[in-house]
Amino acid sequence: QSVLTQPPSVSGAPGQRVTISCTGSSSNIGAGYDVHWYQQLPGTAPKLLIYGNSNRPSGVPDRFSGSKSGTSASLAITGLQAEDEADYYCQSYDSSLSAPYVVFGGGTKLTVL
Amino acid sequence: QLQLQESGPGLVKPSETLSLTCTVSGGSISSSSYYWGWIRQPPGKGLEWIGSIYYSGSTYYNPSLKSRVTISVDTSKNQFSLKLSSVTAADTAVYYCARQPTVRGVMNWFDPWGQGTLVTVSS
Repeated sequence: QSVLTQPPSVSGAPGQRVTISCTGSSSNIGAGYDVHWYQQLPGTAPKLLIYGNSNRPSGVPDRFSGSKSGTSASLAITGLQAEDEADYYCQSYDSSLSAPYVVFGGGTKLTVL
Repeated sequence: QLQLQESGPGLVKPSETLSLTCTVSGGSISSSSYYWGWIRQPPGKGLEWIGSIYYSGSTYYNPSLKSRVTISVDTSKNQFSLKLSSVTAADTAVYYCARQPTVRGVMNWFDPWGQGTLVTVSS
């Protein structure tokens, strides 16, 4: 059971727009901590896609965007391409225990139809 | 650019201790701007944070693994290491190391990542 909740799967046709949600609580996302997103292609290490809720690292297409509101965050992908088929993970920071810790979502598998 | 490389045994026996090292190249592990983290991914499952260490030796661990995990840093070798004791088959996973920026003490995103190394727990 992950601290951050993501839908197990989403799908969309090429050219469409899809969103992936990441729901947390008042001790992580709702406490104001940033959300970060990763893309993991099959057989490879995760790659940073969005950091600090909505910032794209150099080289990440502007088709990818992130947002955060309250206790949730979202990753949006526009102009869906076959190469976007991958697993996507959100990550944040939690301060509910005596020591802070890093939390991940369970991951969302994106299928391009 | 900064690169990280995991190394260690690919097979560990149940009840023994898993030991991995991450070697950092292209930058200094002694930077005050970063933590250095370990993340694992069981086959077919999601990512799980194991713990992170600052160059000074300050550590934070996943509460669910804390009793079995030790992360250490060797600044002279530009390496940090993971030890996970009393392993079982449930600890079989790809283990990744990664750099983690810190701002005002908060551990942020992971970037870059090492390529990962598969550790199998089996007799």
